[in-house]
Amino acid sequence: DAKTTQPPSMDCAEGRAANLPCNHSTISGNEYVYWYRQIHSQGPQYIIHGLKNNETNEMASLIITEDRKSSTLILPHATLRDTAVYYCIVRVDSGAGSYQLTFGKGTKLSVIP
Amino acid sequence: EAQVTQNPRYLITVTGKKLTVTCSQNMNHEYMSWYRQDPGLGLRQIYYSMNVEVTDKGDVPEGYKVSRKEKRNFPLILESPSPNQTSLYFCATKSPSMNTEAFFGQGTRLTVV
Repeated sequence: DAKTTQPPSMDCAEGRAANLPCNHSTISGNEYVYWYRQIHSQGPQYIIHGLKNNETNEMASLIITEDRKSSTLILPHATLRDTAVYYCIVRVDSGAGSYQLTFGKGTKLSVIP
Repeated sequence: EAQVTQNPRYLITVTGKKLTVTCSQNMNHEYMSWYRQDPGLGLRQIYYSMNVEVTDKGDVPEGYKVSRKEKRNFPLILESPSPNQTSLYFCATKSPSMNTEAFFGQGTRLTVV
């Protein structure tokens, strides 16, 4: 799985958009970009994933650059409950064998009142 | 509602006293796995199971056992716990379909003294 680089921490004002960047310059053509978050030692929570098109769901939007070397997770209106560590993971899922998620250090997002 | 339930959530035990952490999922998924999370080391996979009666070692299986007698349950067994197994443990499950999200339990914080 390709390596990812994320800033260690970010602050965001409550109600504003939080934009979390992720670099994955060695991504392969069939690798997806996944985002999870972990709120204070709870189980990691899936947010969104994509291959090359931008994606949006009820939680967030994922913007992937055309060359797929980086992506940005956007929380459109951050709330205090969005304070968490956000992990960007790049992997290909063959549907067979171990499905191991490799979580790096992630970005600690602090939403400020 | 999709759920992965771990028990207990917190456990303090003594060295050498056998213990079992249970994990149950209601999504009828074939795939289940166990991770441990330690500061600075991220999540590391202990064991995984592709289906009933099929289990395999992950990256850090030493000192652990698992069983998969039925699809919904995947208990983690520590036959003789040691202090270096003090950690935060997560159970996870995933659909066999390719490129779908994983669901994690709430975590079990284990302290071995």
